[in-house]
Amino acid sequence: NAGVMQNPRHLVRRRGQEARLRCSPMKGHSHVYWYRQLPEEGLKFMVYLQKENIIDESGMPKERFSAEFPKEGPSILRIQQVVRGDSAAYFCASSPPSRAGSSGEQYFGPGTRLTVT
Amino acid sequence: SQKIEQNSEALNIQEGKTATLTCNYTNYSPAYLQWYRQDPGRGPVFLLLIRENEKEKRKERLKVTFDTTLKQSLFHITASQPADSATYLCALPTGSGNTGKLIFGQGTTLQVKP
Repeated sequence: NAGVMQNPRHLVRRRGQEARLRCSPMKGHSHVYWYRQLPEEGLKFMVYLQKENIIDESGMPKERFSAEFPKEGPSILRIQQVVRGDSAAYFCASSPPSRAGSSGEQYFGPGTRLTVT
Repeated sequence: SQKIEQNSEALNIQEGKTATLTCNYTNYSPAYLQWYRQDPGRGPVFLLLIRENEKEKRKERLKVTFDTTLKQSLFHITASQPADSATYLCALPTGSGNTGKLIFGQGTTLQVKP
């Protein structure tokens, strides 16, 4: 059973460009979470999605950031018009339906390291 | 607001000793608490979960305690090994309706010297 997959692992964008980060959850998992980790800071929750639904986006910046988890395909975190402050590691995690929202652990991907030049 | 605090200073110990890491939280009554391990350049890996009605949980060389009165969890690694060197994160669920959203502490870096 493959783990959570994220791609690309490293992404370099110039200021003003768009960044698209992809996450494929573990097989059988229908709940996806995105977190951001800035240098020397802890993991910060961004958004929680189920298939075709955003459940909690309280950690998402109001502008330029969006996330989706379509019926088919990976979850996408999209950052428009990137700025240097967006440089960070972005982690995706997934959990199975029976545990989501209760007490289940989350399984993390390897992360995408975004660098904005 | 809800807050989680872990000792930001790195913990250096000798191989074979017991490492003890602390996680304190405020303004919060979580139903459970989780511990993760994170190695440089990698995503966190789940280690243990302890519920509010459990005082202690063990898994191999790991032991977690949960004191809801003190609002504190202790994470112990017995007979530590250099391979245990990593950053350890505690995490608590938050969000209305038990959405599965986690808030993480900043982590404590453990260095085990041979």
